Amino acid sequence: DAGVTQSPTHLIKTRGQQVTLRCSPKSGHDTVSWYQQALGQGPQFIFQYYEEEERQRGNFPDRFSGHQFPNYSSELNVNALLLGDSALYLCASSRDRGITNTGELFFGEGSRLTVL
Amino acid sequence: AQSVSQHNHHVILSEAASLELGCNYSYGGTVNLFWYVQYPGQHLQLLLKYFSGDPLVKGIKGFEAEFIKSKFSFNLRKPSVQWSDTAEYFCAVNLNTGFQKLVFGTGTRLLVSP
Repeated sequence: DAGVTQSPTHLIKTRGQQVTLRCSPKSGHDTVSWYQQALGQGPQFIFQYYEEEERQRGNFPDRFSGHQFPNYSSELNVNALLLGDSALYLCASSRDRGITNTGELFFGEGSRLTVL
Repeated sequence: AQSVSQHNHHVILSEAASLELGCNYSYGGTVNLFWYVQYPGQHLQLLLKYFSGDPLVKGIKGFEAEFIKSKFSFNLRKPSVQWSDTAEYFCAVNLNTGFQKLVFGTGTRLLVSP
């Protein structure tokens, strides 16, 4: 049973560039969330996708956008990169159970982005 | 805004010592509580969780946590740590709104010396 897979694992960009990160959820999961983990910090919620729509969003600017595909995989796009965007980007998947959803999140190993 | 505080950023213990990591959250409503662990070079994985019922929950690898509602706390404990427990530990809170949106603490880095 494949867990959550993310690509690429590491990448280096320069300021002003754009980046796309990819995530395949755990088998049987339909909900994908993205988190940003800066050095020395806990993960911070960026947004969540369900049924190909952004369902919730954290306190991140519009430069951060995403997409979910019919096969439940997801992309995170960041435009106009800033030095402060350097972080580990984590994808987490879960199976939505609607209003009674209390299930755990399964995390991938992350994509480490360095912005120079 | 909801927040999670982990009081200890770095903890160093010898093997067989007892462990307690503090976690407090700020939210007055119903919450789900989690402890996640990240071993060196690995992904975040669930250690234990509290949804309702018995406030003392047991997780994997001998860890347990106690939910004290009056103190807004969910401290993690282990009676006797092992070298393999060296990892970073994150407390997280999910507001019981039906969506899986976790608010994480800043983490506690535990080093267990053999």
